[in-house]
Amino acid sequence: EPEVTQTPSHQVTQMGQEVILRCVPISNHLYFYWYRQILGQKVEFLVSFYNNEISEKSEIFDDQFSVERPDGSNFTLKIRSTKLEDSAMYFCASSSSRGGSYEQYFGPGTRLTVT
Amino acid sequence: AQSVAQPEDQVNVAEGNPLTVKCTYSVSGNPYLFWYVQYPNRGLQFLLKYITGDNLVKGSYGFEAEFNKSQTSFHLKKPSALVSDSALYFCAVRSGNTPLVFGKGTRLSVIA
Repeated sequence: EPEVTQTPSHQVTQMGQEVILRCVPISNHLYFYWYRQILGQKVEFLVSFYNNEISEKSEIFDDQFSVERPDGSNFTLKIRSTKLEDSAMYFCASSSSRGGSYEQYFGPGTRLTVT
Repeated sequence: AQSVAQPEDQVNVAEGNPLTVKCTYSVSGNPYLFWYVQYPNRGLQFLLKYITGDNLVKGSYGFEAEFNKSQTSFHLKKPSALVSDSALYFCAVRSGNTPLVFGKGTRLSVIA
């Protein structure tokens, strides 16, 4: 069964450093998403991406964040200058359609620790 | 604004007994409701969804959920729990093309 994969599984970085989280969505999916979960809190939507541009973003997704699909398979989330409060689990997801009834398939997550 | 409430942080049930994990939601418009499960070191796995039609939906691993519009609930159920069902369960809602909104999760522990 096709899966969404994410690398690395755990990333430790110092405050102020740039990090790039990588995702490989399911191959025939066209819609891509990033979510994050701060420890003990809800899973929160960050951004959706389609046709090489952002479809929607939350208020969390400020100028420090960017997303890119650099090739036909990878989907990346970049945080330019990490803050302590960026420490969280980051999940990538993909779906075959943007429609609300379509389920999203999630990767295993990248745990980001900012020290 | 959309929201999901999962009132129980933890549900404990004996193996073989029925289980229920509760979820209530608030949304403008018609809801699309989802249940996901997360096993340790794994991503969120889709279990089932409600779009329209029959209020009782069946999903993976013997799970089912009942949509109740008047109570704005979408409780997850299974007639006979297995130890392997122990995991973190998330309810989520969206309306139209709006982003998925998740509950905080309920940890299910099935005891042999």
